Formats: sequence, structure tokens, C-alpha cells
Amino acid sequence: RKEVEQDPGPFNVPEGATVAFNCTYSNSASQSFFWYRQDCRKEPKLLMSVYSSGNEDGRFTAQLNRASQYISLLIRDSKLSDSATYLCVVNLYGNKLVFGAGTILRVKS
Amino acid sequence: DGGITQSPKYLFRKEGQNVTLSCEQNLNHDAMYWYRQDPGQGLRLIYYSQIVNDFQKGDIAEGYSVSREKKESFPLTVTSAQKNPTAFYLCASSITRLALAQETQYFGPGTRLLVL
Repeated sequence: RKEVEQDPGPFNVPEGATVAFNCTYSNSASQSFFWYRQDCRKEPKLLMSVYSSGNEDGRFTAQLNRASQYISLLIRDSKLSDSATYLCVVNLYGNKLVFGAGTILRVKS
Repeated sequence: DGGITQSPKYLFRKEGQNVTLSCEQNLNHDAMYWYRQDPGQGLRLIYYSQIVNDFQKGDIAEGYSVSREKKESFPLTVTSAQKNPTAFYLCASSITRLALAQETQYFGPGTRLLVL
């Protein structure tokens, strides 16, 4: 089983739609969690950290479920500019990040 | 502007040739990392360094070498022993060695290595 697993997609959604991605991780001792965004042929950029209580940044909401070992990202009112690959990232041992393979989002007009 | 720079943007390697990828940061971060990204796969850790003059192998270190003589610089050499080097190489840094809660990494723009 992979340490971090994501549905590769692609998720094809119309502008204005709400879309959600899930990510599961295998190690219950994982300490911190992040979502990164990666545009085509570019470097990953931090989108948001994921806190135990859940957190929101504008149209983006991240949730953590430690009992079921998954994190989620919800995007409301999708924009064309949201089209990208979204990477789920887990800090497994306090000194190493493990990256999921990413979920592709395509927002269409 | 503070950040991480990588050069070159594209690099072509001939069979049997060693090539070196540059990574520089002016963020005053202690830790630096090299990753490889292949299509449809997550980033895989090649080497990392938590402090000057010290570095550790990651998950796929075979065929690669690094040095950390200065805090700002962490060059990666792809040796001829790396049989499948074509990939997108990403350098990253973090303030410390990721031991702090919510500490994470920041990436340079990457280098695409192609084999001729």
C-alpha cells in the first residue's frame, strides 16, 4: 500500500462548481498535512496546511480525519484558474514529507 | 526577492556523461532537498541536507551525488550510473529539518533533464 494515495482524476467540472478531493495516508503517526498546487511544468506551491480542526482559506476548505486517516480539500465556486494538479503531502516521521501522485482538476467554461 | 533558484531550466545529457544541477537559496533555510518527478508519479526524495557539510540519502539516491559546502547551495550531480535520468528535478528548502509542527518545504522552479 502506498504511503499517500490520491485519486488521479481528472476531475472535469464547470466553472462555479464545487469539487472535493480526498487523500488517504497509511501511517497513523503522521504529524502534519498539506495541500500543494502544481501547474503544468511548474514547481509545487503550498496551497494550505491542514489542521485538526479543519481550516478555510477563501474558497478552499481542508479537513483532517485522523480516525479514518484521510484529508480532504473542498473547492467552492471553481474558477478556470483553479485548473491544476493538487498534491496531498504528509509529514510522516517529523522529518520527511511524502507526496501523493496528485489529482488533476480541469475547470471548463 | 527571497527564494530558491535552479539552473539550468533545461539540460541535455549525453550517454555516459555526468551533469550537475544547481540549486541556490537566499531564505537562510538550514535544510535543503532534491526530488525527482516522473509523469503520473509523486515526488521522490533523492538526497537531503539538514546542515552544511552533512547530507543523507533519500529513497532513490543511486546514481546521484550531492555536496553542501555552503548553506545557500546544494548542487546535484547526475552520474553516468543513473540509467534513467530523464525527469523533472526539483530542489526545495525548509527552515529546519521539518521537526516543527506545520513546517513545510518551498520549491525552486525545477530543471528538466533529457537524455540525448
